[in-house]
Amino acid sequence: AQSVTQLGSHVSVSEGALVLLRCNYSSSVPPYLFWYVQYPNQGLQLLLKYTTGATLVKGINGFEAEFKKSETSFHLTKPSAHMSDAAEYFCAVRGGANSKLTFGKGITLSVRP
Amino acid sequence: DAGVIQSPRHEVTEMGQEVTLRCKPISGHNSLFWYRQTMMRGLELLIYFNNNVPIDDSGMPEDRFSAKMPNASFSTLKIQPSEPRDSAVYFCASSLSGTHKSEQFFGPGTRLTVL
Repeated sequence: AQSVTQLGSHVSVSEGALVLLRCNYSSSVPPYLFWYVQYPNQGLQLLLKYTTGATLVKGINGFEAEFKKSETSFHLTKPSAHMSDAAEYFCAVRGGANSKLTFGKGITLSVRP
Repeated sequence: DAGVIQSPRHEVTEMGQEVTLRCKPISGHNSLFWYRQTMMRGLELLIYFNNNVPIDDSGMPEDRFSAKMPNASFSTLKIQPSEPRDSAVYFCASSLSGTHKSEQFFGPGTRLTVL
């Protein structure tokens, strides 16, 4: 069994500020972890993923995430927010070879000028 | 690559009518997923296929919903009869399963409104 917890539903930051979106997971097998972004009226796009190897992964648009097994976390960060980062962000976990992804409820990121 | 293709992009229908949503996965992908997204329930997996075979349909809400994948390049999600509570955005996604690269690629979605 696997699950994802994204605490809170909305985060607001100022343009240029640090973005931190939290994700905790549970998985009975070594997990594959993903962050997706959804812009208004669009489908989900992959931001980044962790499968094996380096625990700090870099994605598109300056985002990165670090897999911390001891904390069962995969938090998403970006040093400096841009207005264009305003979107909904989903964390997801896949349990090994199982094809099925389990998504968190998503977090809406707002960026203030 | 054209990505995952869904049609129609928008559908407005009346309660009781049959609705068919269509999906063409990325060529070469062998897994296909149908999701429903609503404000209240977020993103829910309805059903997924591996090599055209339904693997997990536990997310299908009730017998009014059915999905088929007659070949590797086409899938349908049918609602019959439709109800207002079925109004949502329905996403199709595909992936190449069995490898560590198996992230899912999403289509643009079909926005369904049942009046």
